Amino acid sequence: ELKVEQNPLFLSMQEGKNYTIYCNYSTTSDRLYWYRQDPGKSLESLFVLLSNGAVKQEGRLMASLDTKARLSTLHITAAVHDLSATYFCAVTGTASKLTFGTGTRLQVTL
Amino acid sequence: EPEVTQTPSHQVTQMGQEVILRCVPISNHLYFYWYRQILGQKVEFLVSFYNNEISEKSEIFDDQFSVERPDGSNFTLKIRSTKLEDSAMYFCASTPRPPYGYTFGSGTRLTVV
Repeated sequence: ELKVEQNPLFLSMQEGKNYTIYCNYSTTSDRLYWYRQDPGKSLESLFVLLSNGAVKQEGRLMASLDTKARLSTLHITAAVHDLSATYFCAVTGTASKLTFGTGTRLQVTL
Repeated sequence: EPEVTQTPSHQVTQMGQEVILRCVPISNHLYFYWYRQILGQKVEFLVSFYNNEISEKSEIFDDQFSVERPDGSNFTLKIRSTKLEDSAMYFCASTPRPPYGYTFGSGTRLTVV
């Protein structure tokens, strides 16, 4: 059974600081997704990483994928309050369904 | 930008009642999914649907659940006899072809009382 774990589960950080969220998964997959969810809202696609070594950046967020280590990172640079949300990684194994991580609730404080 | 539309946005139902959650996937998408998220928890896969049949389902998707694509545009999730533990946010998702472009709907919050 594919397992996806994220850490930390909760992250409180000050504006302007940098931090990284980690996503580990248990079986071979070269497809990893990052989503953002605001409270009570849907899942907004942030990044789709489709190969080993893939790196994507959008604004203050950068995601990378290491399929050999079964690890993806979401790096936040110079955090701003608007980035406060819950971030989920998700993986597809051999099937097309997404298996989601536990989520990281990010709170950016002034 | 094309959207996945879900209705209703919120439904309150009594335990034991049947509910139908509706989704209109993006028109050229061929693969459809239902996920659920219990408040404060992670998103869990329920079922995937392709070519008018279920392609995979989770342990959660027991005999109380069913899916249908009745008219070529709507994709529905039916829960026959709701339980308190069915209270959750239900998300529909679609993609033209895995593993690309999964788009999620805005969700239906189901509250079973």
